[in-house]
Amino acid sequence: DAKTTQPTSMDCAEGRAANLPCNHSTISGNEYVYWYRQIHSQGPQYIIHGLKNNETNEMASLIITEDRKSSTLILPHATLRDTAVYYCIVRGQETSGSRLTFGEGTQLTVNP
Amino acid sequence: DTGVSQNPRHKITKRGQNVTFRCDPISEHNRLYWYRQTLGQGPEFLTYFQNEAQLEKSRLLSDRFSAERPKGSFSTLEIQRTEQGDSAMYLCASSLIANYGYTFGSGTRLTVV
Repeated sequence: DAKTTQPTSMDCAEGRAANLPCNHSTISGNEYVYWYRQIHSQGPQYIIHGLKNNETNEMASLIITEDRKSSTLILPHATLRDTAVYYCIVRGQETSGSRLTFGEGTQLTVNP
Repeated sequence: DTGVSQNPRHKITKRGQNVTFRCDPISEHNRLYWYRQTLGQGPEFLTYFQNEAQLEKSRLLSDRFSAERPKGSFSTLEIQRTEQGDSAMYLCASSLIANYGYTFGSGTRLTVV
């Protein structure tokens, strides 16, 4: 699975959009981009995933560049409860035993 | 359905003792995964099952670790002769289809003293 690079930490004001970047320059054509988050002392929570098209759900939007080498997770109106570590993960369909390989993620802190 | 359940939530054990953790996945999910997470790091893959078959084991899963999923339902992870380095959060997750998101449990925090 391709490696991802994320900033170690980010801050965001409550009510503003949080834009979390991820670089995955070695992504291959059949690999998906997944985002998870982990609130302190809880298990990771699935947010969204995509292949090449932009995706939106009730939690967030995922913007994938045309060359697929980077993506941005957007939380449109961040709240204090969005403070968490956000993981960007690239994974193929059936490779590597279907495992998710987590990096160290981005610590997002939403400030009042 | 209340999601993925893990028991116990916390376990403190003396070095050298054996411990066993249990994971109850979402009932219709046929895939089950175990991860380990140490402080400040992302979760690390240990092993996964499809139904009752254990399909992959990480090199992290030493011979002191064993996982089972009898009848393709709940799973247990046993650590024999625990060491202080085994102290970590042990996370279980389940999924229905490989390409959809996993659902994680809240984990079992193991402290080896």
